[in-house]
Amino acid sequence: EVQLVESGGGLVQPGRSLRLSCAASGFTFDDYAMHWVRQAPGKGLEWVSGISWNSGSIGYADSVKGRFTISRDNAKNSLYLQMNSLRAEDTALYYCAKDSRQYQLLPNWFDPWGQGTLVTVSS
Amino acid sequence: EIVMTQSPATLSVSPGERATLSCRASQSVSSNLAWYQQKPGQAPRLLIYGASTRATGIPARFSGSGSGTEFTLTISSLQSEDFAVYYCQQYNNWPLTFGQGTKVEIK
Repeated sequence: EVQLVESGGGLVQPGRSLRLSCAASGFTFDDYAMHWVRQAPGKGLEWVSGISWNSGSIGYADSVKGRFTISRDNAKNSLYLQMNSLRAEDTALYYCAKDSRQYQLLPNWFDPWGQGTLVTVSS
Repeated sequence: EIVMTQSPATLSVSPGERATLSCRASQSVSSNLAWYQQKPGQAPRLLIYGASTRATGIPARFSGSGSGTEFTLTISSLQSEDFAVYYCQQYNNWPLTFGQGTKVEIK
């Protein structure tokens, strides 16, 4: 069974940094692109960032470009999101999601999703 | 950016009835459209991809149709476990974008 478990969320002041992690199991992690998707409280879904199987291709939403950095460690079956210069509008539940197809970072759907880790940016 | 618009925002349906949810794209996404179900306190779950292909384990009462800019998710006979929020997502272009969701509630 595929499992994605996010961690690292919490309360952080505006302008500070936070690093999220996603531990993957139940599939060959280094075969798949991976993504971060977020959901502000009571709101809809927003794709944040994606990374190809070998970190060769990376993409970001305009709203986080230049502030967030996605990375992965295939030896540890882990995905990361380094979030710098955090803003109040970054407050959200951050989901780790597995790409539906193997290897390249191409526009795709997500299956499955983790349960999310909550990031709250507030002074 | 492709804007996805879902309607209605809320759909009130009685158990056993049919529910029809709509999703419109601001430009053609071909058949590169997925549907997800999200229940309170849970992560989204993939229902449909390729506009009409059910994901593994999804009951046959869920069906998707459409192409280009107009898409429909139909739940043929609503069960109690189907009351949730449904999102469409296009994967034709970057950035990947979602509709704002349709909440299916008990009438």
